[in-house]
Amino acid sequence: ETGVTQSPTHLIKTRGQQVTLRCSSQSGHNTVSWYQQALGQGPQFIFQYYREEENGRGNFPPRFSGLQFPNYSSELNVNALELDDSALYLCASSSGGASGIYEQYFGPGTRLTVT
Amino acid sequence: DQQVKQNSPSLSVQEGRISILNCDYTNSMFDYFLWYKKYPAEGPTFLISISSIKDKNEDGRFTVFLNKSAKHLSLHIVPSQPGDSAVYFCAASGNSGAGSYQLTFGKGTKLSVIP
Repeated sequence: ETGVTQSPTHLIKTRGQQVTLRCSSQSGHNTVSWYQQALGQGPQFIFQYYREEENGRGNFPPRFSGLQFPNYSSELNVNALELDDSALYLCASSSGGASGIYEQYFGPGTRLTVT
Repeated sequence: DQQVKQNSPSLSVQEGRISILNCDYTNSMFDYFLWYKKYPAEGPTFLISISSIKDKNEDGRFTVFLNKSAKHLSLHIVPSQPGDSAVYFCAASGNSGAGSYQLTFGKGTKLSVIP
């Protein structure tokens, strides 16, 4: 059974640029959630995707967007990068569907640095 | 406003003794609670969970206790081992208004088990 994978591992971008982060969900999981973890904080929910549609969103501006593909993999896109976007971005997959109360399994994360 | 609080940023315990990590929550809509362990440069790893209809769940050396009336949960690790040294995150799940069963995390407690 393959776990959650994310790419790239590390990324350095300049303020104002755009970035795309990728995630492959764990085998058998159909729901993907994205979280942002700033230094010294717990992960914060960005949004969740189920059946290729956004299913819930946290307190993040529209320049944070995402996609889920038929194979349940997912992308997180961030436009007009700001210095405060520097963080660890975590992808988590689960098998609960749109409203399941199921454990989420995390990937290793992508460390984004905005200069 | 923080809905999940871990008030102890760090905890040191002697090897072989009990580690007790605490977590408080404010949102009555939370109905499922999870503990994750995180090593540096890795994503959070699911440890143990508990439904709000239970007050205790045990898995090997790990036991989670839930006190719904006090909106408090705790993780007990017995006996503690040096490999348990990590940051522990408490997370709560439930429809907190965003339309999906997202995880809301505390800020984490860094556990150090001293040999």
